Amino acid sequence: GAGVSQSPSNKVTEKGKDVELRCDPISGHTALYWYRQSLGQGLEFLIYFQGNSAPDKSGLPSDRFSAERTGGSVSTLTIQRTQQEDSAVYLCASSLGAGNTIYFGEGSWLTVV
Amino acid sequence: GDSVTQMEGPVTLSEEAFLTINCTYTATGYPSLFWYVQYPGEGLQLLLKATKADDKGSNKGFEATYRKETTSFHLEKGSVQVSDSAVYFCALKDNFNKFYFGSGTKLNVKP
Repeated sequence: GAGVSQSPSNKVTEKGKDVELRCDPISGHTALYWYRQSLGQGLEFLIYFQGNSAPDKSGLPSDRFSAERTGGSVSTLTIQRTQQEDSAVYLCASSLGAGNTIYFGEGSWLTVV
Repeated sequence: GDSVTQMEGPVTLSEEAFLTINCTYTATGYPSLFWYVQYPGEGLQLLLKATKADDKGSNKGFEATYRKETTSFHLEKGSVQVSDSAVYFCALKDNFNKFYFGSGTKLNVKP
């Protein structure tokens, strides 16, 4: 596609529910990243995919967070048993791979009430 | 590990003032350096980048020079406009394609 596409753009969920956030990277981009941006804060690295494998999962905050990528394209970030501190903007980005710039999606705003 | 430190905001300037936003980094290897901008209500966009020492990135009147000796990549603009009001993020990409971002600096430009 023309850019990185994320869905939903906004999600309000009740504490304790599971949520899935989807990212569709730019066509042909092999690398995919998930970041989290809390209100007024910087970007917190969550996970990075190269193809379908995740060489770096070091940023996932807890075992309630997981992510997968299939077919070297779409990725899903899943948050189980959501907590209020999970409220943030979840940003996805993609790049061609080594030596290239990353391009961000618009983000998914998650509010846990 | 690798990291990026940038000056805290907010930075408030009058239109046509000179802008500097400081950014320093810690890295092993030879990182690439970036400035991203986030306008109100929008996603992050690449502003400029530099991939090796002494390179200067430039775009929309903004410039930043990759200084290996001072491990810095300060963002400058000679004359800011109200439309430059945004949050600016300094970032580095390490040799393993992992990106590290600074905490962001909010710029407010007043008419």
